[in-house]
Amino acid sequence: SQTIHQWPATLVQPVGSPLSLECTVEGTSNPNLYWYRQAAGRGLQLLFYSVGIGQISSEVPQNLSASRPQDRQFILSSKKLLLSDSGFYLCAWSGVNSNQPQHFGDGTRLSIL
Amino acid sequence: KNEVEQSPQNLTAQEGEFITINCSYSVGISALHWLQQHPGGGIVSLFMLSSGKKKHGRLIATINIQEKHSSLHITASHPRDSAVYICAVSYGGNTPLVFGKGTRLSVIA
Repeated sequence: SQTIHQWPATLVQPVGSPLSLECTVEGTSNPNLYWYRQAAGRGLQLLFYSVGIGQISSEVPQNLSASRPQDRQFILSSKKLLLSDSGFYLCAWSGVNSNQPQHFGDGTRLSIL
Repeated sequence: KNEVEQSPQNLTAQEGEFITINCSYSVGISALHWLQQHPGGGIVSLFMLSSGKKKHGRLIATINIQEKHSSLHITASHPRDSAVYICAVSYGGNTPLVFGKGTRLSVIA
């Protein structure tokens, strides 16, 4: 069966520090991969999605970036965090088109101080 | 741009009540998804449907393609149903989902 791992579960970082969140998927090949952010009390905002290794689509211009170095690995990064980067970050995967269910990781709660 | 609107935004119900959450969208879609976000933040996919009705336990999802509208029903609601319910639509291919803002449901014993 397929599983998705996302870590860490919680993270407290100072303003200006770098960020690296990692997500890996097991049990499937060539998944579509997604990074979402959810600000407190708000809906899901798509940040990045990837349909293959090295292929990243950015939905929201900001100080975050994403990379997909391997088929089932998706990394969210920042060189310098802002206060506005606080939120709940979720990784998800789906089959090769969006007419398949998305499966979400447990999320990372990021607090910027 | 497709807008996905959910109503109500917040809903409080007594245990045992029949609950309906609505979702409407403005542009033709390939499929509609209903998701549940638990208080801890985790999200699970409940249904994906492109026509008709689907049922899983006490949950029922319906969609009317002509009216661009879907409903999620919960029968015999229970406090453990308390969560945020999210509607999302897909267009097929590799285009990402478009999400509604969610409906926060609280079921009181």
